[in-house]
Amino acid sequence: GAVVSQHPSWVICKSGTSVKIECRSLDFQATTMFWYRQFPKQSLMLMATSNEGSKATYEQGVEKDKFLINHASLTLSTLTVTSAHPEDSSFYICSATPGQGGGYTFGSGTRLTVV
Amino acid sequence: GEDVEQSLFLSVREGDSSVINCTYTDSSSTYLYWYKQEPGAGLQLLTYIFSNMDMKQDQRLTVLLNKKDKHLSLRIADTQTGDSAIYFCAESIGGSYIPTFGRGTSLIVHP
Repeated sequence: GAVVSQHPSWVICKSGTSVKIECRSLDFQATTMFWYRQFPKQSLMLMATSNEGSKATYEQGVEKDKFLINHASLTLSTLTVTSAHPEDSSFYICSATPGQGGGYTFGSGTRLTVV
Repeated sequence: GEDVEQSLFLSVREGDSSVINCTYTDSSSTYLYWYKQEPGAGLQLLTYIFSNMDMKQDQRLTVLLNKKDKHLSLRIADTQTGDSAIYFCAESIGGSYIPTFGRGTSLIVHP
């Protein structure tokens, strides 16, 4: 149980275009999902907390207009990287938890390369 | 300093035990986690321990928690080549349950 599916696994896009990444909880409902970004040789950095039915909460330094988050249902959150630039190239991972206490389940990640 | 610290690399021989160490700064941490990341993949939760526990064992994995020293370790018995990966230590504080991650330790298992 507690499976999180993330799609796509990898994407290459041209500079200036937008890319949407999906995160789905397959066998549980998640009112909250989390989006992380991983820089090479660094730890995961929490970007934002996605809240079903309301606005996402962004961490300091993360541009909300750049990284649009939509959490329209209890099983789906999307992250859209708008007007992507090469410096946005990174590994993006989402996570959710089926309930309080215990661990988080992570998606398999999306490798974004902007050329 | 960082909130969660780990050494970046560990190399062991196949069949030996591996011990990955982690220190954290916040004494109010509620849960402490170990995650495994294989190349190009997402994180896989290996195990977690509540802050009121000293030890947790799960098959080849043993987690030790020294709350006084804010030190967490993961011991992998009979390490195999398939255990080669990056291991992340993480903590969550109070009721937020959002984990803060260390940088990860790259475990290299050689024959």
